[in-house]
Amino acid sequence: GENVEQHPSTLSVQEGDSAVIKCTYSDSASNYFPWYKQELGKGPQLIIDIRSNVGEKKDQRIAVTLNKTAKHFSLHITETQPEDSAVYFCAASNNNYGQNFVFGPGTRLSVLP
Amino acid sequence: DTAVSQTPKYLVTQMGNDKSIKCEQNLGHDTMYWYKQDSKKFLKIMFSYNNKELIINETVPNRFSPKSPDKAHLNLHINSLELGDSAVYFCASTADGGGYTFGSGTRLTVV
Repeated sequence: GENVEQHPSTLSVQEGDSAVIKCTYSDSASNYFPWYKQELGKGPQLIIDIRSNVGEKKDQRIAVTLNKTAKHFSLHITETQPEDSAVYFCAASNNNYGQNFVFGPGTRLSVLP
Repeated sequence: DTAVSQTPKYLVTQMGNDKSIKCEQNLGHDTMYWYKQDSKKFLKIMFSYNNKELIINETVPNRFSPKSPDKAHLNLHINSLELGDSAVYFCASTADGGGYTFGSGTRLTVV
């Protein structure tokens, strides 16, 4: 089955700096890679996703890159703000009927003012 | 309108009790899930239902029984609660090919 690893487990950056979180997956059949942000006391929220036919996707300060050959994908947050502080999860799915997302273990991002 | 709502938000109960958590989605999604998030924040799937049919049943003690009366509802019943069941339980739903929409979670504490 799919196995998703995520690094680092914790990340502290100064406000205004960039943050990068990296994930690797094991199943070459996976073709959908979402990223979730979980704030304290809330459920995870989808912030960006990428499909395997695309190498990069950007949405304002957030971007995701995918390297299918190496089976890794990364989340990039530029110009970080204190409200970006949260736990971030990557996930991988084969996007089929009854799809099961396998989540990475999470990265706790702290943006220091 | 809350897209995926689960109740209760907090549940404190004694060992050995039976409890239920309810989940409803108004997104028209066909697939619903229960995930368990442990103290280290790890998200692990428990069950998945597609249009009331059980699709995924991970290695979960049979004290946990999901029930889907219709495709908008997926409830979780837990018998004979144990200390190790303490966690946050998330309901989620998805349309085929899309990302999950999660509920806000139910924090279960077994004392």
